[in-house]
Amino acid sequence: QVQLVQSGAEVKKPGASVKVSCKASGYTFTSYGISWVRQAPGQGLEWMGWISAYNGNTNYAQKLQGRVTMTTDTSTSTAYMELRSLRSDDTAVYYCARELDVWGKGTTVTVSS
Amino acid sequence: QSALTQPASVSGSPGQSITISCTGTSSDVGSYNLVSWYQQHPGKAPKLMIYEVSKRPSGVSNRFSGSKSGNTASLTISGLQAEDEADYYCCSYAGSSTPPWVFGGGTKLTVL
Repeated sequence: QVQLVQSGAEVKKPGASVKVSCKASGYTFTSYGISWVRQAPGQGLEWMGWISAYNGNTNYAQKLQGRVTMTTDTSTSTAYMELRSLRSDDTAVYYCARELDVWGKGTTVTVSS
Repeated sequence: QSALTQPASVSGSPGQSITISCTGTSSDVGSYNLVSWYQQHPGKAPKLMIYEVSKRPSGVSNRFSGSKSGNTASLTISGLQAEDEADYYCCSYAGSSTPPWVFGGGTKLTVL
């Protein structure tokens, strides 16, 4: 079955960077894109961006431009999302999703001094 | 402030039907038949319930149905069950807008 397995929870200090991984299985990785969506505590869902697993093309949310980088490793069917210059309001659960249909379980990122 | 507007909460008794609305604009909901609905239980990831306005993924109960009129999409759940109690989010493609995918603020469904 289609599955996305994300890396474990992270605790970071303000100004640091975090890199979350998302390993796909159960389908042809390069046939679909991967979206990243985050959810701050008690809040709704926020689309962060998308990467084509076929050719690496990306589309980032304007508010995150310059701080976020999404990549893929087709040899391991893994997608990555790196967020830099972390702030307290980046504290959230970060989800990867195959074209917004199948979702990973989420990775909690806490930014605190 | 979310791009799509949903009621904060709805409620219904077991066996009843409820409808959750999702209002967007002519740039998103009104322009594309790419509205999806997600169910999210506390501490869990969102689960796709409806895609392309009214299609159900394999395994989703036919008690869930979707529709759209103009700039407003709707999710209807019939024969309410206790396990339907969750947060529900709508999502729409918005074309060349930024961001290209927009979510509603979510609706908390309470089964009385």
